[in-house]
Amino acid sequence: GAGVSQSPSNKVTEKGKDVELRCDPISGHTALYWYRQSLGQGLEFLIYFQGNSAPDKSGLPSDRFSAERTGGSVSTLTIQRTQQEDSAVYLCASSLPTDRALAYEQYFGPGTRLTVT
Amino acid sequence: AQSVTQLDSHVSVSEGTPVLLRCNYSSSYSPSLFWYVQHPNKGLQLLLKYTSAATLVKGINGFEAEFKKSETSFHLTKPSAHMSDAAEYFCVVTGSSGGSYIPTFGRGTSLIVHP
Repeated sequence: GAGVSQSPSNKVTEKGKDVELRCDPISGHTALYWYRQSLGQGLEFLIYFQGNSAPDKSGLPSDRFSAERTGGSVSTLTIQRTQQEDSAVYLCASSLPTDRALAYEQYFGPGTRLTVT
Repeated sequence: AQSVTQLDSHVSVSEGTPVLLRCNYSSSYSPSLFWYVQHPNKGLQLLLKYTSAATLVKGINGFEAEFKKSETSFHLTKPSAHMSDAAEYFCVVTGSSGGSYIPTFGRGTSLIVHP
């Protein structure tokens, strides 16, 4: 079946411009995560959506970053007034809902490579 | 709070020799633990997971890991490395029993396999 998809795969933008990154999770996965991976670094958690609950935004690095999830499916990560330090690969993952008994594995998309010039 | 430490940033082995990638965790609750692999310019893929069942977990491509609560470790092993195993490996902890549902990733271990 279809996995997690992300678009665009690559994005080059000028400093100060806004960008939107899109994630299509696996159908039926109510949990959705955004991460940032800088060159040679691990994954930095950004935001977590779980069903209709309020998202966990504790990882967003500044108020220039925001995310939405419409209809419990597609998600968009928006970065306003991009800076050079925003250059990274942005990864999206989805999973079945995490409950108290079991943590399900995450399925990752291929990522969007963002370059801010 | 939960945390995960991957003890080696790089591990270098020869093809056909054993692989050991070390991971220690800290969690206030009964954790779920995962290993993911990331090949160059690819997304992350699950290797194996521990969720309070058998402590020795077998994964794909001949990898396995043993959950040792007394040592708070979840080291990844493989008896014989293959060139295709060269990749970045991430150890991940999630506090599934009342702890944080946000996975915490280690910083990664780069596995280098020499011919």
